[in-house]
Amino acid sequence: QVQLMQSGPEVRKPGASMKVSCRTSGYAFTDYAIAWVRQAPGQGLEWMGWISAYNGNTDYGQNFRGRVTMTTDTSTSTGYMELRSLRSDDTAMYYCARVPRNGNWFDPWGQGTLVTVSS
Amino acid sequence: QSVLAQPPSTSGTPGQRVTISCSGSGSNIAEWPVHWYQQLPGTAPKLLIYTNNQRPSGVPDRFSGSKSGTSASLAISGLQSEDEADYYCAAWDDSLNGLVFGGGTRLTVL
Repeated sequence: QVQLMQSGPEVRKPGASMKVSCRTSGYAFTDYAIAWVRQAPGQGLEWMGWISAYNGNTDYGQNFRGRVTMTTDTSTSTGYMELRSLRSDDTAMYYCARVPRNGNWFDPWGQGTLVTVSS
Repeated sequence: QSVLAQPPSTSGTPGQRVTISCSGSGSNIAEWPVHWYQQLPGTAPKLLIYTNNQRPSGVPDRFSGSKSGTSASLAISGLQSEDEADYYCAAWDDSLNGLVFGGGTRLTVL
């Protein structure tokens, strides 16, 4: 079955960087894109962007441009999301999700990675 | 304040039918398909409806979606206790050039 397994929780200091991985299995990796969505504690969902696993093309949300980089490793069917210059309001659960080529819905989702930014 | 407006909360009793609205504009819902996600407490979101009214395999037909103009709706019939969750709509927005989520609606089954 299709699975997206994310890396473990992280604690970072303000100004530092974070990198979350999303290892996929059960489907042809390059036939889809990987999206990243975050959810601050007690808040709603926020789209961060996505990356095509086929050609590496990216599209980032305006709140994250210049601070985020999404990459993929086709040899391991894994997606990565790096966020730099972390602030306390970057504390959130970060999710990856699979995106079809012919649409922009997310299915399925990874289990989430909690990132805490605190001095 | 989200670009897609959802009521913060709604409730219903078992067996009842409830609807959740998602109000947008000409730059999002009017032009692009709407998707719905269910997030059970403490879990990752799950796709419930895609492209306005399509159900992924495994989603019960108690869940249905519709869209008209700049608004979309999610309907849940035969409400069950396990439907208690947060529900989010999502669509592309041309003005923001990005995907936007509604603020979410918390469904309580009384």
